[in-house]
Amino acid sequence: GQNIDQPTEMTATEGAIVQINCTYQTSGFNGLFWYQQHAGEAPTFLSYNVLDGLEEKGRFSSFLSRSKGYSYLLLKELQMKDSASYLCAVMDSNYQLIWGAGTKLIIKP
Amino acid sequence: GAVVSQHPSWVICKSGTSVKIECRSLDFQATTMFWYRQFPKQSLMLMATSNEGSKATYEQGVEKDKFLINHASLTLSTLTVTSAHPEDSSFYICSARDSRESAEQYFGPGTRLTVT
Repeated sequence: GQNIDQPTEMTATEGAIVQINCTYQTSGFNGLFWYQQHAGEAPTFLSYNVLDGLEEKGRFSSFLSRSKGYSYLLLKELQMKDSASYLCAVMDSNYQLIWGAGTKLIIKP
Repeated sequence: GAVVSQHPSWVICKSGTSVKIECRSLDFQATTMFWYRQFPKQSLMLMATSNEGSKATYEQGVEKDKFLINHASLTLSTLTVTSAHPEDSSFYICSARDSRESAEQYFGPGTRLTVT
């Protein structure tokens, strides 16, 4: 079966760095996405990785290792507004998105 | 950037009635649209995938006679919840992409449905 695993909840301090991990097992691979979702809102796109390595975009970076079925989202200089759920999703061989359950990130002052 | 709208943003209806939710791609042609449902504190659950001009493909466990999906044009898909019940209360989100191989899905803002 297809499976995406990520921690249910994480807590971090404002100004700090946090890494949210995601492991996956899917039938085929056409890329991995990270989305941010605030409560009561739709997900918003953060990053897309299809090749191994690190993609940096401002305070957010995403890493992929296809051989390990592993990705992480790195958030630097955390701000209170970063409190949200972070969803990991993998596009399988049929170009369908397989979603993780999401990681709720709580930022404390 | 690509924009997807949904209407209504929230709706309250009585048990037994039907509700239609519209999803529109405003500045691109959406060959494929997706309908998701999300219960509180849970992740997105894909309900169905619809391609313009063809029947929707429903995920296992989703009743196609209850959740009617129509993708009549390249910019509009509708989801009709028929004979709604309180357990259908949820956050319904659509997304769209402009080609089968397109990496990114563009999400609508979601529709909050409450069935009383």
